[in-house]
Amino acid sequence: NAGVMQNPRHLVRRRGQEARLRCSPMKGHSHVYWYRQLPEEGLKFMVYLQKENIIDESGMPKERFSAEFPKEGPSILRIQQVVRGDSAAYFCASSPPAGVGLQETQYFGPGTRLLVL
Amino acid sequence: DQQVKQNSPSLSVQEGRISILNCDYTNSMFDYFLWYKKYPAEGPTFLISISSIKDKNEDGRFTVFLNKSAKHLSLHIVPSQPGDSAVYFCAASYGGTSYGKLTFGQGTILTVHP
Repeated sequence: NAGVMQNPRHLVRRRGQEARLRCSPMKGHSHVYWYRQLPEEGLKFMVYLQKENIIDESGMPKERFSAEFPKEGPSILRIQQVVRGDSAAYFCASSPPAGVGLQETQYFGPGTRLLVL
Repeated sequence: DQQVKQNSPSLSVQEGRISILNCDYTNSMFDYFLWYKKYPAEGPTFLISISSIKDKNEDGRFTVFLNKSAKHLSLHIVPSQPGDSAVYFCAASYGGTSYGKLTFGQGTILTVHP
């Protein structure tokens, strides 16, 4: 009963490089969410995706950040030209398809800790 | 604009006693609330949730209470155990176009002493 998988668990990048974070949702889950946790803060919503669709990207920075959830394979959060302020823990969550009017619980992965030097 | 607030950064409790963690929210559109527990270097673990149509939900040692008029929810852990020591986050969401987006509080560090 595999949970949400994220890799890598730790990622070190130099300023200006690209970071790619991967997330495989729980089996049977078709909704994926990305959150970021800066040091000493709570988790902040970034983006909500379903297969091949971005549903809500209201929390994504306008530049350098993008996310996808292709028909096959994991969801990818991509950060181009990283800066020191991007250093944070990035968490992925997944939930099953919802019934009409129902909220579904989100289950989180272990996170990717990004350090930008 | 902090829509979900946990005003107590930390809480210390003796083993076997009750732990009460509090959470306030400002957005009256929130209709689904969750509590997560988080250990260092791990992802949040779901504990318990409550819909706005209820005022109480219980699961083993964990009970969540919701007071909609006060925009306040609390998590009760009875009896508290040393393994409960972790950071606890409350989160809220609502349906419609914002379905799926969880808004988190800042977290409360719970320490349970043997």
